[in-house]
Order: sequence, then structure tokens, then C-alpha cells
Amino acid sequence: QKEVEQDPGPLSVPEGAIVSLNCTYSNSAFQYFMWYRQYSRKGPELLMYTYSSGNKEDGRFTAQVDKSSKYISLFIRDSQPSDSATYLCAMVTGGGNKLTFGTGTQLKVEL
Amino acid sequence: DADVTQTPRNRITKTGKRIMLECSQTKGHDRMYWYRQDPGLGLRLIYYSFDVKDINKGEISDGYSVSRQAQAKFSLSLESAIPNQTALYFCATSGGGRAADTQYFGPGTRLTVL
Repeated sequence: QKEVEQDPGPLSVPEGAIVSLNCTYSNSAFQYFMWYRQYSRKGPELLMYTYSSGNKEDGRFTAQVDKSSKYISLFIRDSQPSDSATYLCAMVTGGGNKLTFGTGTQLKVEL
Repeated sequence: DADVTQTPRNRITKTGKRIMLECSQTKGHDRMYWYRQDPGLGLRLIYYSFDVKDINKGEISDGYSVSRQAQAKFSLSLESAIPNQTALYFCATSGGGRAADTQYFGPGTRLTVL
């Protein structure tokens, strides 16, 4: 079993929809959680970073962490075609220095 | 100009050939990483370096070697390429401490081994 599980998609939604992307993990030592966005033919870039359980909001994006369920989510409100990308979750233990990535979910937002 | 550059961007080679992928960064970071990305497997760490004198194996280092020529340069070598090394390769850099969680990726090198 992988330490981090993520549905690869693809996920196709209409413009303006609310998108929910999720990851589950098995290692309870993970304490820091990230979402990276990767456009086609580009390297990943950090989108959201959270530490504690609960929600963190940044514009149209909300990252949610539930450590008791070992489950993290990224919500995108009012999705736009420019949000079409692959979204990778990543996490690291408290004393760790290497990220563990999910496989990524491919999202397409259609006009 | 891009902060993290990779050369070449695309490479097709034959089984048994030696290949070097190069990475340069202008972010002034001490930490550099090499990953490969495969469909369904995500990003997997090959090697990482926390400074010029520090080289560490990652999750999948077999068949690969690295050289940290300077703070800004980190190259990945495939001594004898094989077809299952066909993948997208990314270099990344980061700061230290918790800043290491924010990694800055290059544009990637698409390598095909025939």
C-alpha cells in the first residue's frame, strides 16, 4: 500500500463548478501538507501549504486537513479553464526533510 | 529568466548509452533534488543534496548517479541507460528547515530510452 493515495482522474468539470480533490495517507507522522499544481509540460509549483487540522483559504482555493481521518482536500471555487492542470498532494513528517507525493489528479475545466 | 533550468529538455537515446542531465539554479538555495515522474507513479525522489559536500540516495537511486559541481549545479547521470528509465525528470531546489517543503521545480527533461 502506498503511503499517499490520490485518485488520478481525469476529472472533468464545467466552468464555475466547485472542485474537490482529495488524498488519503497512512503515515500518522505526516504533519505538513502541501498541494502542488502542475501545468502540462511544466514543473510542479506550490499552491497551498498547511500544518494543522482545519481549513486554510487563499482566494478561490481552500485546503482542508483532517489528521484524525488521515485525509486532506483541496477545494477550488468558481473553477476556471486556467485551473486545468494536474494537482499533486505532498506531505512530510515533523522531523523529515523529504516530501512524499501523491500520484496527482488531472483536472480539466471546460467552457 | 527561469530560476531553475534543465538541459536538455528532450532526449532520445539508445539502450546502453551514458546520459547526463544538467540542472542549474539562480535561487541561491543549498538544497537540490532529482525526481522522476511516471504515469500512475507520481514523483519519486532519485537523489538529493543539502550542500556541495552532501549527497544522499532517494527512493529509487539504482542505475543513477549524481554530481554536485557547485551550489548552483546538480547533474544526474545514467551510466548505462535502459528502456524503463524512460520518464520525465525534474530537478528541484529549496531552502533549509521547513522552507524545504517549498520546492521550486525546473521545466523537466523528457527522456526516451529505445
